[in-house]
Amino acid sequence: QKEVEQDPGPLSVPEGAIVSLNCTYSNSAFQYFMWYRQYSRKGPELLMYTYSSGNKEDGRFTAQVDKSSKYISLFIRDSQPSDSATYLCAMSERDNYGQNFVFGPGTRLSVLP
Amino acid sequence: SAVISQKPSRDICQRGTSLTIQCQVDSQVTMMFWYRQQPGQSLTLIATANQGSEATYESGFVIDKFPISRPNLTFSTLTVSNMSPEDSSIYLCSVKTVGTEAFFGQGTRLTVV
Repeated sequence: QKEVEQDPGPLSVPEGAIVSLNCTYSNSAFQYFMWYRQYSRKGPELLMYTYSSGNKEDGRFTAQVDKSSKYISLFIRDSQPSDSATYLCAMSERDNYGQNFVFGPGTRLSVLP
Repeated sequence: SAVISQKPSRDICQRGTSLTIQCQVDSQVTMMFWYRQQPGQSLTLIATANQGSEATYESGFVIDKFPISRPNLTFSTLTVSNMSPEDSSIYLCSVKTVGTEAFFGQGTRLTVV
């Protein structure tokens, strides 16, 4: 079993739809959870950063962490064609020196106008 | 936020040759990292670039194959040596300071023929 699993997609939705992207993980020591967006031929850019369980909202984006189920989600409301990208989840046990992130393989999302 | 310039953005190389990738950051950062992103797969950490000393390599990556330099707090290079088609991938530079997010360069798309 991989340490972080993510549905690779591709996922196609119509403009305006609510999108749900999910990751599951096996390491119960993970405490920091991130979602990155990666456009084609670009590096990943951070969308959301959360610590421990709970929800965090930023505009049309909501990150949800359920540590008891080892499951994290990213919701995109009122999706736009500009949201078309690959979304990577990442997680780590601590936030200090060293980059001990573990990334999911990414989900390709297409939002159709 | 940190602005990262990574060069070259892409290259096609003959097997058996070497390619050096440069990463320049617009501000001093604590940590610099090199990742590989193979098609359809997660980002995999190659090594942490340490200023003034040898890089710290992750399991499966060795200095002879991926020599890394970091002469100062804003610059690092990764060399992919004696390339084979299996080295075809996207190579990404990442930077981080404790307590902040990780920033990524736009990546170098390498094709080995």
